[in-house]
Amino acid sequence: AQSVAQPEDQVNVAEGNPLTVKCTYSVSGNPYLFWYVQYPNRGLQFLLKYITGDNLVKGSYGFEAEFNKSQTSFHLKKPSALVSDSALYFCAVRRHNAGNMLTFGGGTRLMVKP
Amino acid sequence: DAGITQSPRYKITETGRQVTLMCHQTWSHSYMFWYRQDLGHGLRLIYYSAAADITDKGEVPDGYVVSRSKTENFPLTLESATRSQTSVYFCASGRGSGANVLTFGAGSRLTVL
Repeated sequence: AQSVAQPEDQVNVAEGNPLTVKCTYSVSGNPYLFWYVQYPNRGLQFLLKYITGDNLVKGSYGFEAEFNKSQTSFHLKKPSALVSDSALYFCAVRRHNAGNMLTFGGGTRLMVKP
Repeated sequence: DAGITQSPRYKITETGRQVTLMCHQTWSHSYMFWYRQDLGHGLRLIYYSAAADITDKGEVPDGYVVSRSKTENFPLTLESATRSQTSVYFCASGRGSGANVLTFGAGSRLTVL
């Protein structure tokens, strides 16, 4: 079985400040890890993914995520938040060689205030 | 237009009625998926399909039926809708398993009265 936990329902940050959205996962074997973003009344959009190799992954819109195997975490980060970053963020995991069962976390709402 | 489209975007129905949500993609992706999004549960996989005429259950398949006679279409049918099926439904497609990225439709908001 595989699972994803996003411990914060909402994260509030001031514009210009760094942001972190937390994600921890549970999977047997090596994981593929993903971050998706959802804007109001829209489908999910891909931000970035970790496959293997460098633990720091860079993605769209200045976002990055750090894979930490010992802590089974994949936190999403951005050095300087924008108001337009306000959205719902989802972390997801898929086990290597496990077909297509992509498991999502419950989502974290990011609110960036001017 | 290229992309993945869902219809209808909004639907209100009554308990016991049959409802079909449509999903169409233009990329010829082999894999297609149906998720439901509920507050507190994130996204949960209902059914997926690896190719035409191949479908498999996901995490929450009860009460739903799917078919895939053509690669580009993946309709989801609620044969007898229940209030617990009130949700936002997302269709997604992708080239395959592993690290391949999914592309999502805009969603279909279904309300069952």
